[in-house]
Amino acid sequence: GAGVSQTPSNKVTEKGKYVELRCDPISGHTALYWYRQSLGQGPEFLIYFQGTGAADDSGLPNDRFFAVRPEGSVSTLKIQRTERGDSAVYLCASSPRGREGLSNTGELFFGEGSRLTVL
Amino acid sequence: LAKTTQPISMDSYEGQEVNITCSHNNIATNDYITWYQQFPSQGPRFIIQGYKTKVTNEVASLFIPADRKSSTLSLPRVSLSDTAVYYCLIISSGSARQLTFGSGTQLTVLP
Repeated sequence: GAGVSQTPSNKVTEKGKYVELRCDPISGHTALYWYRQSLGQGPEFLIYFQGTGAADDSGLPNDRFFAVRPEGSVSTLKIQRTERGDSAVYLCASSPRGREGLSNTGELFFGEGSRLTVL
Repeated sequence: LAKTTQPISMDSYEGQEVNITCSHNNIATNDYITWYQQFPSQGPRFIIQGYKTKVTNEVASLFIPADRKSSTLSLPRVSLSDTAVYYCLIISSGSARQLTFGSGTQLTVLP
């Protein structure tokens, strides 16, 4: 597709369940980012991939959150033992270059997000 | 990371020029200023980026004074479809956290 694709667009789950959120970045983009956005707030950084490796995962809130990008393209954000406080929109973004190139262009391409609701 | 301060909300009318100012007093020498736009139920969208003086593209203009401690996003002749949240961000090289979003400015364009 032409843009970043995220699935599912909406996910409702129960407290304690396991959830996976998927991101298909723009073809050829080497950098991939996950953000989380709560109502009325700006997006909050979670993790950044350059290729297959997680170059910066310092934004992950705790060890219940994990993300992978095994082939350097599609990424999956995994949340174990979900809590009500995990309810948010999870945004994925990609960029044709890594963070080293972002000093002179701050353009990330965001998907529409996956809305997670934990009951 | 340089902290940004911008108004929580602004109202305007169709056809008017809108200026949203962002303060970033502790911006570093190598930092860039970037603005994003976000519509409800969508991800943020890059609008414009600048380092100093003035940058213009087909969507907006960005004015940055010599001391770079603030910047102003200018939207000419807004329409109802420009109603969105606008984020001012400081890009610092060497860290993925450089895209640190604040709460943004909710712009509401009225008919």
